[in-house]
Amino acid sequence: NAGVMQNPRHLVRRRGQEARLRCSPMKGHSHVYWYRQLPEEGLKFMVYLQKENIIDESGMPKERFSAEFPKEGPSILRIQQVVRGDSAAYFCASSPTTGMGNTIYFGEGSWLTVV
Amino acid sequence: DAKTTQPNSMESNEEEPVHLPCNHSTISGTDYIHWYRQLPSQGPEYVIHGLTSNVNNRMASLAIAEDRKSSTLILHRATLRDAAVYYCISTSGTYKYIFGTGTRLKVLA
Repeated sequence: NAGVMQNPRHLVRRRGQEARLRCSPMKGHSHVYWYRQLPEEGLKFMVYLQKENIIDESGMPKERFSAEFPKEGPSILRIQQVVRGDSAAYFCASSPTTGMGNTIYFGEGSWLTVV
Repeated sequence: DAKTTQPNSMESNEEEPVHLPCNHSTISGTDYIHWYRQLPSQGPEYVIHGLTSNVNNRMASLAIAEDRKSSTLILHRATLRDAAVYYCISTSGTYKYIFGTGTRLKVLA
């Protein structure tokens, strides 16, 4: 049973370019979450999506960041006009439900470097 | 969600048990305790979670204090592959986990 799949694993972008990170949840999981981890820090929640719906984007920066989870295909985290401070590891996670005690499972991450 | 406090780092010898403590003194009655670990350049890996009772699985055991203000993750026989950062998370939410800086476990051969 494949886990949460993320690509690319590593991405280098110049300042001002766009970064697109993709995430395919585990089979049978319809809830997707994105987290960001800055160097030497813990992970921080960004956004929670279900198919075609953003449920909670309270952790997402208001500008330049967007996320989607279309009816078909992977979830995508998009960062426009990247800046050096966007350099981080971006983790996608998924779960089958969101009930109490729910466990979410993380992918291997996408490491974004902005030069 | 309850704030958790963990030691920054711990060391263990290979093949010996490891007890990783976590304090969550402000935990509420509906907060679960989750443990994840993160190896270098990898995503967090689920280890175990519980509410009130002690829990066991193939990876580890979770001992929860009677007052639920603290818990201990127990690795019964540490191996070199267990060297990682271990995160204790207490949350009543179902997805908005709050990760601290965790405990960096070093396993000595």
